[in-house]
Amino acid sequence: DQQVKQNSPSLSVQEGRISILNCDYTNSMFDYFLWYKKYPAEGPTFLISISSIKDKNEDGRFTVFLNKSAKHLSLHIVPSQPGDSAVYFCAARGRYSGGGADGLTFGKGTHLIIQP
Amino acid sequence: ETGVTQTPRHLVMGMTNKKSLKCEQHLGHNAMYWYKQSAKKPLELMFVYSLEERVENNSVPSRFSPECPNSSHLFLHLHTLQPEDSALYLCASSQEWRTGTLSNEKLFFGSGTQLSVL
Repeated sequence: DQQVKQNSPSLSVQEGRISILNCDYTNSMFDYFLWYKKYPAEGPTFLISISSIKDKNEDGRFTVFLNKSAKHLSLHIVPSQPGDSAVYFCAARGRYSGGGADGLTFGKGTHLIIQP
Repeated sequence: ETGVTQTPRHLVMGMTNKKSLKCEQHLGHNAMYWYKQSAKKPLELMFVYSLEERVENNSVPSRFSPECPNSSHLFLHLHTLQPEDSALYLCASSQEWRTGTLSNEKLFFGSGTQLSVL
């Protein structure tokens, strides 16, 4: 059973508009969440993260929101740019995984396409 | 340049072949990982090495054999694979494997090897 779900395989957004990528999780022991971005023929790269003690983290055009009661997080990109076209992976780590990078559980990813 | 280099980028092999995937990290990290990404599936952790010692093996079939000769290099030896093993194999590294509950280690990935088993 998937513990981290990204229910939209793809999302198309017009350049300049806001892109909202969603992620749901089922494990209440998750306490740290990350977004990775992946271009074709490249490995995923870290984008932004949020700890469960916060409900929002912002870095430039990227903001991640966490709703613990709903077990839901979202990544907002505004304004969207052509270079943002990529696959975005949501990942989560459990409270007792020792803080290690190996404790990450990934979603299947959402392919974001920015239309000019 | 991500600091994690994987070769080859693409590999086609028959079910009776033996091949190896190579990963090298230039980041001075102590932990290295193999992940598998199959089509329409999440990234799956296969193996973890910390300071050249294997610390996790997530029920991976024995036809996949990892090797970590030093903290900068990681190999994945493949033999008698099945067509369902076709996937993108990603190597990653992090500063440490586990440093305590307050640590939030991040993974640095290579570009992957796209493997096709015929």
